[in-house]
Amino acid sequence: KQEVTQIPAALSVPEGENLVLNCSFTDSAIYNLQWFRQDPGKGLTSLLLIQSSQREQTSGRLNASLDKSSGRSTLYIAASQPGDSATYLCAVTPRGYQKVTFGTGTKLQVIP
Amino acid sequence: DARVTQTPRHKVTEMGQEVTMRCQPILGHNTVFWYRQTMMQGLELLAYFRNRAPLDDSGMPKDRFSAEMPDATLATLKIQPSEPRDSAVYFCASGPWTGGGNEKLFFGSGTQLSVL
Repeated sequence: KQEVTQIPAALSVPEGENLVLNCSFTDSAIYNLQWFRQDPGKGLTSLLLIQSSQREQTSGRLNASLDKSSGRSTLYIAASQPGDSATYLCAVTPRGYQKVTFGTGTKLQVIP
Repeated sequence: DARVTQTPRHKVTEMGQEVTMRCQPILGHNTVFWYRQTMMQGLELLAYFRNRAPLDDSGMPKDRFSAEMPDATLATLKIQPSEPRDSAVYFCASGPWTGGGNEKLFFGSGTQLSVL
């Protein structure tokens, strides 16, 4: 059974700081990995998707990396802004696109 | 913009009542998921469908929960009878399974269920 862990559970940083969120998974036989953002009372929005054959993906100030052999992914946020405050979740899709498993999330607060 | 639509957004009901939640997936998406989110458990997968066929519903309490896709534009999740422990946010998500590896998952805004 795939288990996905995110550390830390919560993070508070001053505006402008670069930061890294971590995601660990137990089964390396994955199809892809996605990072999502969730604002309070809202649904989840996909930020980045890394396919199994890829090492990283970038979108604006966001960069996600994937190391299947170690079962780890990181989400790097450059020059953080108060608008980045949200909960960030990673989700692992196993081969066969079944049972997408989510981590418990990291709640980020960026202080102006 | 295409989006997943869930109704109702909020539902308050009394224990023992039937609850039906609806989801309209994005047109063309052939895979639909139902998730439940609570503070304690996070996001739990309840069931999912591909091309309207149920692939896995092992995450659902079978005695009270049921999920169906009457057609490609509608997925339903029913709870009968509802219990206070069912109080949670229920999300529907859809995605286009193509086998290419780059299929993103799109979420609805959720149904906030409170069972008194």
